[in-house]
Amino acid sequence: EAEVAQSPRYKITEKSQAVAFWCDPISGHATLYWYRQILGQGPELLVQFQDESVVDDSQLPKDRFSAERLKGVDSTLKIQPAELGDSAMYLCASSLVAAPYNEQFFGPGTRLTVL
Amino acid sequence: AQKVTQAQTEISVVEKEDVTLDCVYETRDTTYYLFWYKQPPSGELVFLIRRNSFDEQNEISGRYSWNFQKSTSSFNFTITASQVVDSAVYFCALSEADNQGGKLIFGQGTELSVKP
Repeated sequence: EAEVAQSPRYKITEKSQAVAFWCDPISGHATLYWYRQILGQGPELLVQFQDESVVDDSQLPKDRFSAERLKGVDSTLKIQPAELGDSAMYLCASSLVAAPYNEQFFGPGTRLTVL
Repeated sequence: AQKVTQAQTEISVVEKEDVTLDCVYETRDTTYYLFWYKQPPSGELVFLIRRNSFDEQNEISGRYSWNFQKSTSSFNFTITASQVVDSAVYFCALSEADNQGGKLIFGQGTELSVKP
Protein backbone atom coordinates (compact mmCIF):
# COMPACT_ATOMS: atom_id res chain seq x y z
CA GLU A 1 0.00 0.00 0.00
CA ALA A 2 1.33 3.44 -0.93
CA GLU A 3 2.41 5.58 2.00
CA VAL A 4 3.73 9.04 2.72
CA ALA A 5 7.33 8.79 3.86
CA GLN A 6 8.98 11.19 6.27
CA SER A 7 12.44 11.40 7.76
CA PRO A 8 13.84 11.62 10.28
CA ARG A 9 11.24 10.25 12.66
CA TYR A 10 12.85 12.00 15.61
CA LYS A 11 15.14 15.00 15.82
CA ILE A 12 16.72 16.60 18.85
CA THR A 13 18.52 19.87 18.35
CA GLU A 14 19.69 22.85 20.32
CA LYS A 15 18.13 26.24 19.87
CA SER A 16 19.69 28.40 17.18
CA GLN A 17 20.64 25.33 15.15
CA ALA A 18 19.23 24.55 11.72
CA VAL A 19 17.00 21.52 11.13
CA ALA A 20 15.46 20.02 8.03
CA PHE A 21 12.67 17.53 7.50
CA TRP A 22 11.98 15.52 4.36
CA CYS A 23 8.71 14.22 2.95
CA ASP A 24 7.99 11.95 0.00
CA PRO A 25 4.27 11.92 -0.86
CA ILE A 26 2.31 9.11 -2.43
CA SER A 27 3.27 8.76 -6.07
CA GLY A 28 1.01 10.80 -8.31
CA HIS A 29 -0.27 13.08 -5.58
CA ALA A 30 -0.04 16.65 -6.79
CA THR A 31 -0.84 18.30 -3.48
CA LEU A 32 1.45 18.26 -0.47
CA TYR A 33 0.80 19.75 2.95
CA TRP A 34 3.05 20.40 5.95
CA TYR A 35 1.28 20.59 9.31
CA ARG A 36 2.65 21.35 12.77
CA GLN A 37 1.13 19.60 15.75
CA ILE A 38 1.98 20.95 19.19
CA LEU A 39 1.58 18.41 21.98
CA GLY A 40 -2.04 18.15 23.06
CA GLN A 41 -3.38 20.08 20.08
CA GLY A 42 -4.63 19.36 16.59
CA PRO A 43 -2.42 19.82 13.52
CA GLU A 44 -2.23 23.28 11.96
CA LEU A 45 -1.34 23.91 8.33
CA LEU A 46 2.04 25.53 7.74
CA VAL A 47 2.33 25.35 3.97
CA GLN A 48 0.60 23.75 1.00
CA PHE A 49 2.07 22.94 -2.41
CA GLN A 50 0.32 22.23 -5.68
CA ASP A 51 3.02 20.51 -7.71
CA GLU A 52 6.07 22.76 -7.16
CA SER A 53 4.11 25.92 -6.39
CA VAL A 54 3.18 27.24 -2.96
CA VAL A 55 -0.60 27.58 -2.66
CA ASP A 56 -0.89 28.66 0.96
CA ASP A 57 1.92 29.66 3.32
CA SER A 58 -0.04 32.19 5.34
CA GLN A 59 0.74 30.42 8.63
CA LEU A 60 4.41 29.74 7.90
CA PRO A 61 6.77 31.84 10.09
CA LYS A 62 8.81 33.00 7.14
CA ASP A 63 11.53 34.63 9.19
CA ARG A 64 12.79 31.20 10.21
CA PHE A 65 10.85 28.56 8.25
CA SER A 66 11.24 27.71 4.59
CA ALA A 67 9.77 24.98 2.43
CA GLU A 68 10.43 23.79 -1.06
CA ARG A 69 9.21 21.16 -3.49
CA LEU A 70 11.57 21.77 -6.38
CA LYS A 71 10.48 19.05 -8.79
CA GLY A 72 6.95 18.76 -7.56
CA VAL A 73 7.58 15.45 -5.87
CA ASP A 74 9.35 15.32 -2.51
CA SER A 75 9.59 18.29 -0.20
CA THR A 76 11.86 19.73 2.46
CA LEU A 77 10.86 21.90 5.41
CA LYS A 78 13.64 23.83 7.10
CA ILE A 79 13.87 25.78 10.32
CA GLN A 80 16.77 28.16 10.88
CA PRO A 81 17.36 29.03 13.64
CA ALA A 82 15.29 26.65 15.75
CA GLU A 83 13.62 28.05 18.87
CA LEU A 84 12.32 26.28 21.96
CA GLY A 85 8.73 26.90 20.83
CA ASP A 86 9.32 24.92 17.65
CA SER A 87 9.23 21.65 19.58
CA ALA A 88 6.34 19.77 17.98
CA MET A 89 5.38 17.00 15.59
CA TYR A 90 5.75 17.97 11.94
CA LEU A 91 3.34 16.05 9.74
CA CYS A 92 3.39 15.79 5.99
CA ALA A 93 0.27 14.87 4.05
CA SER A 94 -0.58 14.44 0.40
CA SER A 95 -3.70 14.23 -1.72
CA LEU A 96 -4.40 13.48 -5.35
CA VAL A 97 -5.62 17.00 -6.02
CA ALA A 98 -6.21 20.11 -3.95
CA ALA A 99 -9.88 20.00 -3.15
CA PRO A 100 -11.86 20.46 0.07
CA TYR A 101 -13.51 17.03 -0.28
CA ASN A 102 -10.32 15.10 -0.77
CA GLU A 103 -8.92 12.73 1.78
CA GLN A 104 -5.41 13.64 2.89
CA PHE A 105 -2.95 10.85 3.55
CA PHE A 106 -0.53 11.50 6.39
CA GLY A 107 2.99 10.33 7.02
CA PRO A 108 4.29 9.18 10.43
CA GLY A 109 5.63 12.63 11.26
CA THR A 110 8.92 14.01 12.55
CA ARG A 111 8.99 14.72 16.27
CA LEU A 112 11.25 17.71 16.91
CA THR A 113 12.65 18.54 20.33
CA VAL A 114 14.52 21.82 20.71
CA LEU A 115 16.71 22.06 23.81
CA ALA B 1 -14.51 32.22 11.36
CA GLN B 2 -14.06 28.49 11.01
CA LYS B 3 -13.48 26.45 14.13
CA VAL B 4 -13.73 22.89 15.39
CA THR B 5 -14.24 22.13 19.07
CA GLN B 6 -13.75 18.77 20.73
CA ALA B 7 -14.65 19.48 24.32
CA GLN B 8 -13.59 16.08 25.64
CA THR B 9 -9.85 16.10 26.13
CA GLU B 10 -9.60 12.57 27.50
CA ILE B 11 -12.02 9.68 27.80
CA SER B 12 -11.35 6.42 29.56
CA VAL B 13 -13.60 3.38 29.17
CA VAL B 14 -13.47 -0.30 29.87
CA GLU B 15 -13.40 -2.69 26.95
CA LYS B 16 -16.83 -3.47 25.44
CA GLU B 17 -18.31 -0.18 26.59
CA ASP B 18 -19.80 2.14 23.99
CA VAL B 19 -18.24 5.58 23.75
CA THR B 20 -19.19 8.78 21.90
CA LEU B 21 -16.72 11.44 20.89
CA ASP B 22 -18.22 14.90 20.43
CA CYS B 23 -17.39 17.39 17.70
CA VAL B 24 -18.90 20.84 17.21
CA TYR B 25 -17.93 23.04 14.28
CA GLU B 26 -18.36 26.64 13.15
CA THR B 27 -18.36 27.81 9.55
CA ARG B 28 -20.02 30.46 7.40
CA ASP B 29 -19.84 28.31 4.29
CA THR B 30 -22.94 26.47 3.15
CA THR B 31 -20.78 23.81 1.53
CA TYR B 32 -18.21 22.13 3.69
CA TYR B 33 -16.79 18.74 4.54
CA LEU B 34 -16.26 17.08 7.89
CA PHE B 35 -13.68 14.42 8.64
CA TRP B 36 -12.63 12.15 11.45
CA TYR B 37 -9.04 10.96 11.75
CA LYS B 38 -7.46 8.53 14.21
CA GLN B 39 -3.93 9.08 15.50
CA PRO B 40 -2.47 5.96 17.14
CA PRO B 41 0.71 6.19 19.23
CA SER B 42 2.79 5.65 16.08
CA GLY B 43 1.86 9.18 15.02
CA GLU B 44 0.33 9.07 11.56
CA LEU B 45 -3.23 10.25 11.14
CA VAL B 46 -5.53 7.63 9.67
CA PHE B 47 -8.61 8.73 7.74
CA LEU B 48 -11.88 7.32 9.08
CA ILE B 49 -14.73 9.15 7.37
CA ARG B 50 -15.77 12.17 5.33
CA ARG B 51 -19.24 13.80 5.16
CA ASN B 52 -20.38 16.72 3.07
CA SER B 53 -22.72 19.38 4.38
CA PHE B 54 -25.60 18.25 2.19
CA ASP B 55 -25.63 14.69 3.39
CA GLU B 56 -27.02 14.34 6.89
CA GLN B 57 -27.48 10.61 6.73
CA ASN B 58 -25.90 8.82 9.61
CA GLU B 59 -23.28 6.29 8.69
CA ILE B 60 -22.28 2.99 10.21
CA SER B 61 -19.12 1.07 9.47
CA GLY B 62 -18.71 -1.99 11.62
CA ARG B 63 -18.39 -0.83 15.22
CA TYR B 64 -18.10 2.81 14.16
CA SER B 65 -21.00 5.16 13.55
CA TRP B 66 -21.29 8.87 12.90
CA ASN B 67 -24.15 11.26 13.67
CA PHE B 68 -24.18 14.48 11.64
CA GLN B 69 -26.66 17.16 12.72
CA LYS B 70 -26.52 20.50 10.94
CA SER B 71 -29.07 22.00 13.31
CA THR B 72 -26.59 21.72 16.18
CA SER B 73 -23.42 21.92 14.04
CA SER B 74 -22.28 18.60 15.41
CA PHE B 75 -20.61 15.55 13.94
CA ASN B 76 -20.29 12.97 16.69
CA PHE B 77 -18.50 9.66 16.51
CA THR B 78 -19.58 6.53 18.39
CA ILE B 79 -17.58 3.38 18.91
CA THR B 80 -19.71 0.42 19.91
CA ALA B 81 -18.23 -2.37 22.02
CA SER B 82 -14.88 -0.62 22.31
CA GLN B 83 -11.64 -2.58 22.10
CA VAL B 84 -8.15 -1.91 23.41
CA VAL B 85 -6.99 -1.33 19.82
CA ASP B 86 -9.32 1.68 19.66
CA SER B 87 -7.03 3.52 22.08
CA ALA B 88 -5.78 6.57 20.20
CA VAL B 89 -6.30 10.29 19.77
CA TYR B 90 -9.25 11.10 17.53
CA PHE B 91 -9.50 14.32 15.57
CA CYS B 92 -12.49 15.94 13.96
CA ALA B 93 -11.66 18.28 11.08
CA LEU B 94 -13.42 20.75 8.78
CA SER B 95 -12.69 21.72 5.19
CA GLU B 96 -14.59 24.57 3.57
CA ALA B 97 -15.56 24.67 -0.09
CA ASP B 98 -14.40 28.29 -0.30
CA ASN B 99 -10.91 27.09 0.47
CA GLN B 100 -10.15 25.32 -2.76
CA GLY B 101 -6.83 24.13 -1.43
CA GLY B 102 -8.48 21.67 0.90
CA LYS B 103 -6.94 23.01 4.09
CA LEU B 104 -8.09 21.01 7.11
CA ILE B 105 -9.02 22.76 10.33
CA PHE B 106 -8.64 20.34 13.20
CA GLY B 107 -10.14 20.21 16.65
CA GLN B 108 -7.93 19.74 19.68
CA GLY B 109 -8.43 16.00 19.68
CA THR B 110 -9.90 13.52 22.15
CA GLU B 111 -7.60 10.94 23.67
CA LEU B 112 -9.47 7.68 24.08
CA SER B 113 -8.12 5.06 26.43
CA VAL B 114 -9.77 1.64 26.37
CA LYS B 115 -8.76 -0.54 29.28
CA PRO B 116 -9.04 -4.33 29.25
